[in-house]
Amino acid sequence: LAKTTQPISMDSYEGQEVNITCSHNNIATNDYITWYQQFPSQGPRFIIQGYKTKVTNEVASLFIPADRKSSTLSLPRVSLSDTAVYYCLVRRSGAGSYQLTFGKGTKLSVIP
Amino acid sequence: DAEITQSPRHKITETGRQVTLACHQTWNHNNMFWYRQDLGHGLRLIHYSYGVQDTNKGEVSDGYSVSRSNTEDLPLTLESAASSQTSVYFCASSDRRTGTRSYEQYFGPGTRLTVT
Repeated sequence: LAKTTQPISMDSYEGQEVNITCSHNNIATNDYITWYQQFPSQGPRFIIQGYKTKVTNEVASLFIPADRKSSTLSLPRVSLSDTAVYYCLVRRSGAGSYQLTFGKGTKLSVIP
Repeated sequence: DAEITQSPRHKITETGRQVTLACHQTWNHNNMFWYRQDLGHGLRLIHYSYGVQDTNKGEVSDGYSVSRSNTEDLPLTLESAASSQTSVYFCASSDRRTGTRSYEQYFGPGTRLTVT
C-alpha cells in the first residue's frame, strides 16, 4: 500500500478554513483515500473517502487532483470542537482485505 | 442503538500476569480489529478477524492472542504482560457485506492498560 505523508501538526483560529494535505505518491489504481478523525480520549471515526476529484459531506470536503498523488481535507470554518488528530489513509478495494493502516496523523489545534 | 463496547476502561496489572481485554459489538459486523495506540506511533494493528473462528496477526502481534467464538466478541489476551505493553487499546468493527461501507470502521472507547 502507498505510504502517506502529512504534517505532524497545524494550528488554526476559530472560524477559519483548514486544509490538511496528504501525499501518497505511490497510490495504485484501485486505492481509495480515506480520512479519519480522532478526538482526545476517543477512538477514531470515519470522516470522508474519495477516489478522484471532489467529495463533500456534512463534515468536510476532500479534494483529489487528477494524478491522485496527494489529497486535501478541507474543514470549513473550524470551531474549538474540531481540535483533533486527522489521519489520512490509503486503502485498497476489492482485495478481500479490510484492514486499515494508520500513520501518525496531523494534530489540529483550533485557537479561540 | 448498535454499539461497540470495551471493558475494562482502565486496568493496572503486574508484569507477567495474564490479562484479557473484552470487546463486544452489537452491529453484527463480521470484521473485528484490535489496535494499540502509543505516543508517537499512531494506531498499530495487533490482530483482526473476518468472522467466527477466523483470526489473523497484524503488525504488532507478538505477546497477544485473540479468539473469535461468536460474531459479537473478540477478546484480546496478553499472555504474560510486559511493561512495553502499557498502552491504550482500541477495538473496532466493520461490515463486509456487498454494498456496505466496509472501509468504515467503528471504534470502541478504548482501554487504558498500565503494566507495572
